[in-house]
Amino acid sequence: EAGVTQFPSHSVIEKGQTVTLRCDPISGHDNLYWYRRVMGKEIKFLLHFVKESKQDESGMPNNRFLAERTGGTYSTLKVQPAELEDSGVYFCASSQDGSGWETQYFGPGTRLLVL
Amino acid sequence: KQEVTQIPAALSVPEGENLVLNCSFTDSAIYNLQWFRQDPGKGLTSLLLIQSSQREQTSGRLNASLDKSSGRSTLYIAASQPGDSATYLCAVDTGTASKLTFGTGTRLQVTL
Repeated sequence: EAGVTQFPSHSVIEKGQTVTLRCDPISGHDNLYWYRRVMGKEIKFLLHFVKESKQDESGMPNNRFLAERTGGTYSTLKVQPAELEDSGVYFCASSQDGSGWETQYFGPGTRLLVL
Repeated sequence: KQEVTQIPAALSVPEGENLVLNCSFTDSAIYNLQWFRQDPGKGLTSLLLIQSSQREQTSGRLNASLDKSSGRSTLYIAASQPGDSATYLCAVDTGTASKLTFGTGTRLQVTL
């Protein structure tokens, strides 16, 4: 069974540009989460999808971040325009029922550097 | 607001030693607590998940305990090996949409 995959693995962009990160969850997992770790800080929750619906987006830092999950399969996270403080590692995770009785399976992350 | 703290931030031990990693959290109203492992440049691998009603979980050389009332968890690694070298992360699920709150991790190095 394939795990959670993320693309790209690395991205280097200039301030003001747009970047789109993609996450493919484990097949059959309705719950999809985005997290990020900025330099020196802990991993922080961004948002949670259940199928195509946003269940909780309380962690999204501002309106430069837009997450979508059309069709309830893969998800994209767009940052537009990117700022220096957006640099960090963006993780995606998925789980089957989101009940808290099961673990979340994490992808390898996308390392974003904004110059 | 839930806060998770991990001590120590870094630890170096010789191979074969038993060791304990500590995690504390401020809000005891949790659904579960999880320990993850992260290797450099890789994603997070779940090691153990302890439900709020449980006191401990074991997997091989790993044993995690949970004292919800005092807001503490420990990860015990027996007979450490160089392959155990990684960053260990503690995360709590407060049940609000199952979002996890992470600690900053303990970076473990097991030397030959």
